[in-house]
Amino acid sequence: GAGVSQSPRYKVAKRGQDVALRCDPISGHVSLFWYQQALGQGPEFLTYFQNEAQLDKSGLPSDRFFAERPEGSVSTLKIQRTQQEDSAVYLCASRIGTANTEAFFGQGTRLTVV
Amino acid sequence: AQTVTQSQPEMSVQEAETVTLSCTYDTSESDYYLFWYKQPPSRQMILVIRQEAYKQQNATENRFSVNFQKAAKSFSLKISDSQLGDAAMYFCALMDSSYKLIFGSGTRLLVRP
Repeated sequence: GAGVSQSPRYKVAKRGQDVALRCDPISGHVSLFWYQQALGQGPEFLTYFQNEAQLDKSGLPSDRFFAERPEGSVSTLKIQRTQQEDSAVYLCASRIGTANTEAFFGQGTRLTVV
Repeated sequence: AQTVTQSQPEMSVQEAETVTLSCTYDTSESDYYLFWYKQPPSRQMILVIRQEAYKQQNATENRFSVNFQKAAKSFSLKISDSQLGDAAMYFCALMDSSYKLIFGSGTRLLVRP
């Protein structure tokens, strides 16, 4: 596609429910990143994929968070047993290469846990 | 650890005037990149301007320019001839060899007509 696509744009989950957030990067982009943006804050790094390999997951806040990119294109961020503190915007970004190339962001998924 | 600090939660500028947004950062690496991103209400991060740390010349993109002071670890954004469409959240970000972006807390820019 023309840009990074994320779905759904909005998600309301009851506390304890599992959710799955999808990211469709720009075709051919090697690098894919997930960020979490709490209200009124800057985005914070969650995890990084290079093709299908998850090279860095140091930002995942707990073992309830899991990300995958099995075929090196679409990625899914899964949150199990959601808690209120998980409420945030989840942003996905992709890059054609690894280092000094521009990162393109999607419009994010706003997750609200009630 | 790498950190990015934006000390101005909100700035206001009159349309057609100039405004400067401040950013300081800290990193132990000598090779890194700095960015300014704009985030409108649609939430999509849009790259405004980037600066490679090894370049001494300040980056410029049309009405947007930076003042990069490497020794002081300062990276401010100047917006000239401000337009109503410039109103948004602006984030300063640092990228080092880890490839991930470290963002500041953002500055909300208001443009008065």
